[in-house]
Amino acid sequence: GAGVSQSPSNKVTEKGKDVELRCDPISGHTALYWYRQSLGQGLEFLIYFQGNSAPDKSGLPSDRFSAERTGGSVSTLTIQRTQQEDSAVYLCASSRDGYQPQHFGDGTRLSIL
Amino acid sequence: QQQVKQSPQSLIVQKGGISIINCAYENTAFDYFPWYQQFPGKGPALLIAIRPDVSEKKEGRFTISFNKSAKQFSLHIMDSQPGDSATYFCAAGDSGAGSYQLTFGKGTKLSVIP
Repeated sequence: GAGVSQSPSNKVTEKGKDVELRCDPISGHTALYWYRQSLGQGLEFLIYFQGNSAPDKSGLPSDRFSAERTGGSVSTLTIQRTQQEDSAVYLCASSRDGYQPQHFGDGTRLSIL
Repeated sequence: QQQVKQSPQSLIVQKGGISIINCAYENTAFDYFPWYQQFPGKGPALLIAIRPDVSEKKEGRFTISFNKSAKQFSLHIMDSQPGDSATYFCAAGDSGAGSYQLTFGKGTKLSVIP
């Protein structure tokens, strides 16, 4: 596709449930990033994938958060046992490699009831 | 610890005026400074970026000024238009970290009034 695609665009779930968020990067982009944007805040880095290298997980806020990237393309961010403070917009970005400009998707707006 | 401080939080500018947004950083390892524009319900879109080997970069109506010694950089929007009304984020990246994972400011909501 022409841009980074994220799904679903909106997700409402109950506290304690697990959720999976999907990111389909721009074709040919080897670097993929996940960020979280809370209301009134800037974007907070979560995790970074580059090719087949081990991901940089330094931004994940707790062990309830995990992510994987299959075949160097599509990535899934999983949040287990969701809490109300997990409510935010989760943004995915990709770049040709780790040193090129990052292109963002429109995000998944996650609401925890 | 907030590593990139952005000001002002909100800004109202008359059409045709100059919009100025400022950012300051603390980490001297940062070597990449992009600005992003975000409209409601959309993801951030890269506007313009600068590296510390230059003090200014201009693209159309958008200019980044960079002061390495002061650890500050700013975005100037000349001849501001109502279509520029959006939230603007400055960011900083450190190539030595293995990637340009970005540290963002908290954003400036710009309103350009006719």
